[in-house]
Parts: sequence; C-alpha cells; structure tokens
Amino acid sequence: GEDVEQSLFLSVREGDSSVINCTYTDSSSTYLYWYKQEPGAGLQLLTYIFSNMDMKQDQRLTVLLNKKDKHLSLRIADTQTGDSAIYFCAESKIPNTDKLIFGTGTRLQVFP
Amino acid sequence: KAGVTQTPRYLIKTRGQQVTLSCSPISGHRSVSWYQQTPGQGLQFLFEYFSETQRNKGNFPGRFSGRQFSNSRSEMNVSTLELGDSALYLCASSSVDRGGNEQYFGPGTRLTVT
Repeated sequence: GEDVEQSLFLSVREGDSSVINCTYTDSSSTYLYWYKQEPGAGLQLLTYIFSNMDMKQDQRLTVLLNKKDKHLSLRIADTQTGDSAIYFCAESKIPNTDKLIFGTGTRLQVFP
Repeated sequence: KAGVTQTPRYLIKTRGQQVTLSCSPISGHRSVSWYQQTPGQGLQFLFEYFSETQRNKGNFPGRFSGRQFSNSRSEMNVSTLELGDSALYLCASSSVDRGGNEQYFGPGTRLTVT
C-alpha cells in the first residue's frame, strides 16, 4: 500500500523538544522527507534522509530512521512559537521520479 | 535565486469551466511536479514533467492535464470543473535529473469552484 501515517496533533511547551512520528509501509522507499507548512503557504523542505542512513542532524532538527519498523521521526530541539505549523513526512519510492507520497500531516502547536 | 513561482495565487471558477495554472521552477531546475491538497484527501500527486515529457502520473481523471515548455515552465489544466476540484494546487521543482533528493515547492494556487 501507499499509506504514510502520522498522528494528527502535537502540543508542546516553548523550549521543550518536539518529536513528530511517521510510519510508512513500503520498505523500498529511497528518500524520506520532512516538510513544514505554515497557514496559507506552500511546503518548506526541512530535511531529508536517504534510506541507507539511520540518522541525520541539521541544527535543531534530528531525523531518525528505523527501517526495520518502517518508522521515521523528526525531533525539534528547543521548540519555538515560530515552529507552530503542520509537518508532513513524505517518501519517494520509485527511482528516476520525483513522485512523493505524503503523510496526513501533524499539526504542532507550541505554547508559552 | 528566486524560488518556485505559481500564478495566479487565487482563482474562483464556476462548475463546468476550465482553468489553467502556471508554474515557473527555480532557475536551472528541469523537473516539475504538481500536487493537489484538500482537507479530505491531503496531498496527492498529480503528475511530473522532465524535459517536456511526462515522467509519471497520479490517479486523477483525464480532465486533469499538464505540459512543460522548453524553458521548464509548466502549466496544468483542469477542464469541466467540479466542486470537488476546489483545492490548493502546489507545484515543486527539482534539479536532480534522476529523481529523488531535494524538491522545492511554490506557494500554491488556491482554486475555488462554485
């Protein structure tokens, strides 16, 4: 199947860490992505990981990939109110194409 | 470097009409993909173009079509509009010829069908 699943909501206090989770069904996925969408805007590419990696860190963002469990997570350290948005994970399964299969999105709310 | 641009940003059409949306990729990017975003169905892949050729296509009816020009700019067309076509249409561009890697999205065109 093509389902990529995410929890719908996450609420965290400013300064805490946020962890957004994603599960996918196809072990042949090549790249896995995290995008951020703010109200009324398009999708902003945050980071991505190749399927032969298990971790990638980029400033406040840490991506963990567990291929055995088909589980992807995005950790945001020191979460700020500006991080409030919808976060989408996506997978690219087929070589020689840019087609992405997106998750349902997780709405992150950061409160002071 | 300018990002992906989409025109128009907002559009209101009536059922039965047709619409054309435009996407200009980041300079140097040759791959353009289109997605439809709705509250009910989420983000769904429409089609992808590379060097003026459709490389992949999603599960949408034939009313949805697209094309890419020699300068990599792309258009998508929806004919005989239905109420359910109301959505945010997003375009993305990529520089990697073989697929995968980084894709950058435009701000989208919000289409409302009445």
